[in-house]
Amino acid sequence: QVQLQESGPGLMKPSQTLSLTCTVSGGSVSSGNYYWSWIRQHPGKGLEWIGYIYTSGRTYYNASLKSRTTISVDSSDNQFSLKLSSLTAADTAVYYCARVSGSKGYWYFDLWGRGSLVTVSS
Amino acid sequence: DIQMTQSPSSLSASVGDRVTITCRASQSISTFLNWYQSKPGMAPQLLIYAASTLQSGVPSRFSGGGSGTDFTLTISSLQPEDFATYYCQQSYGTPITFGQGTRLEI
Repeated sequence: QVQLQESGPGLMKPSQTLSLTCTVSGGSVSSGNYYWSWIRQHPGKGLEWIGYIYTSGRTYYNASLKSRTTISVDSSDNQFSLKLSSLTAADTAVYYCARVSGSKGYWYFDLWGRGSLVTVSS
Repeated sequence: DIQMTQSPSSLSASVGDRVTITCRASQSISTFLNWYQSKPGMAPQLLIYAASTLQSGVPSRFSGGGSGTDFTLTISSLQPEDFATYYCQQSYGTPITFGQGTRLEI
């Protein structure tokens, strides 16, 4: 079955750019009518949607993070990635990748990775 | 942004209990509402989408209801594996937003 796995550095310094990758196994990041998304969870807090990308490459971002966020797809490696720039301690969170399914506005995250903890500290 | 408010924030229950979690949207979202289960160190799991449609493979003891601004997630008979945190999420408007979570504990 399709599985998602996040990878990336666990510790970052303020002002750096975070790069996270989500590897899709058991399926293709290029097939089907799916969006591929990033979501984060601050320690002890709820979930925050960061953005998603369609297989065509079209992206949608949370306005609160848009100026610092880039999501891209690499079909050759069957991965999609998140870059988040100008990090501060407020970006410390568990970062999840997820697949978005649905249609006609009924979008839902039907598959998730286990999450990758990113700590921003000097 | 559409604010999603869950109640209660935490809930103590026992195996076999029937429990209901409520999610309220700050504006009408029709039935663009989904529910998830999250356990530490594990991938969150989709339970219900479009307010009341059970995701494939999810036990039938889970059910969802509501429309407009008020929604419920009901577990008809709690099992040991159901002790987790539950989140609602709306897809009516951008940005997509989640509730703050309901922690279900013994």
